[in-house]
Amino acid sequence: AQTVTQSQPEMSVQEAETVTLSCTYDTSENNYYLFWYKQPPSRQMILVIRQEAYKQQNATENRFSVNFQKAAKSFSLKISDSQLGDTAMYFCAFHVVTGGGNKLTFGTGTQLKVEL
Amino acid sequence: EAGVAQSPRYKIIEKRQSVAFWCNPISGHATLYWYQQILGQGPKLLIQFQNNGVVDDSQLPKDRFSAERLKGVDSTLKIQPAKLEDSAVYLCASSLFSEAFFGQGTRLTVV
Repeated sequence: AQTVTQSQPEMSVQEAETVTLSCTYDTSENNYYLFWYKQPPSRQMILVIRQEAYKQQNATENRFSVNFQKAAKSFSLKISDSQLGDTAMYFCAFHVVTGGGNKLTFGTGTQLKVEL
Repeated sequence: EAGVAQSPRYKIIEKRQSVAFWCNPISGHATLYWYQQILGQGPKLLIQFQNNGVVDDSQLPKDRFSAERLKGVDSTLKIQPAKLEDSAVYLCASSLFSEAFFGQGTRLTVV
């Protein structure tokens, strides 16, 4: 079974600063995907960034980047130049394709607050 | 491309009543998920469909929850009878390959 752990329930950062959210996972699979989703107060789950496990290069999407350490099973999200609109709940998620189909498992989330 | 549609957005019911939620996934997406998200927690998978077949319903409280996916497209999730602890947001998502796209969710309050 796959598990996803986010050890930081809450974090805060000053506007324009950089913040890193942590995520670790456990799996015996070799091919999988990792995601960071953002959930603002509207509760709409929005994909922020994705990483394929077979790719060594860390994914980047504008101000968002990841540090993917496959051997350590670590997948952290770095937000640069934080903006007030980044305030949201952030979920790390793990996706694997097994004989039973797709499996998408979420962590418990990190509440990020961007302050003036 | 139209997103995942869910209805209703909000629902308030009394305990022991029944309720149903509807989800219309993105066209062509074979996989459909229903998640339950209690306030302050991460989404918990209730049931997963691949086309119109159930792939995983291990965390679905089958004594009160049921779900179906008609013709491998739309899906409904039903709770009968509802309990106070069912108060949550119910998220529907669909995927073609790896990335899941989510609807806006249905916020259920059981009083």
